[in-house]
Amino acid sequence: EIELTQSPATLSLSPGERATLSCRASQSVGIFLAWYQQKPGQAPRLLIYDTSNRATGVPARFSGSGSGTDFTLTISSLEPEDFAVYYCQQRNNWLTFGGGTKVDIK
Amino acid sequence: QVQLVQSGAEVKKPGASVKVSCKSSGYIFSTYGISWVRLAPGQGPQWLGWISPYNGNIKYAQRFQGRVTMTTDTSTSTAYLELRSLRPDDTAVYYCARDDRDDYYYMDVWGKGTTVTVSS
Repeated sequence: EIELTQSPATLSLSPGERATLSCRASQSVGIFLAWYQQKPGQAPRLLIYDTSNRATGVPARFSGSGSGTDFTLTISSLEPEDFAVYYCQQRNNWLTFGGGTKVDIK
Repeated sequence: QVQLVQSGAEVKKPGASVKVSCKSSGYIFSTYGISWVRLAPGQGPQWLGWISPYNGNIKYAQRFQGRVTMTTDTSTSTAYLELRSLRPDDTAVYYCARDDRDDYYYMDVWGKGTTVTVSS
């Protein structure tokens, strides 16, 4: 099973700042990586798929990059509604998720 | 609009079974697959498996093989998850999510979740 390690566990930032979230895979997943956002009491929401493609309705401030084992989700300028938990997910070898990064307000 | 509506919360004793339903609307049920994912407190999401209403293909995550059964009823556009031999560490919110018709990929529409509590 491919393990996904997300860092940092918590990211404390202010609105307007840039957020950079990392996801590292225990073996290559190619480009087959997605990012989800989850807010308290809600289901996860697909943000990015196949490393860099934004899902329908996702604002352009969200972008994804990487390949192989190292991936990044960048939020260019945090809006108040972006404070949430973010998970990465791979589908290259079965399907697994990372443990999450919480982006909270500094 | 596209929706997945899940059944209500369940409380079960260890060793029991639970069956969660997920009714779709707003799209043609057989043109997409359904994945099941659970979220336990303090943990990352765990994928339980995927089913295609189109052809009945199923893939179960290895850790749940033998304890899980996924089914669909195309006449009511409903998917079902049954988990047996429940343990306290099965306590989690269980989600159904729309996936690809032909294999598990990414999940673009999610139900609101069903809380399953396992406690003696």
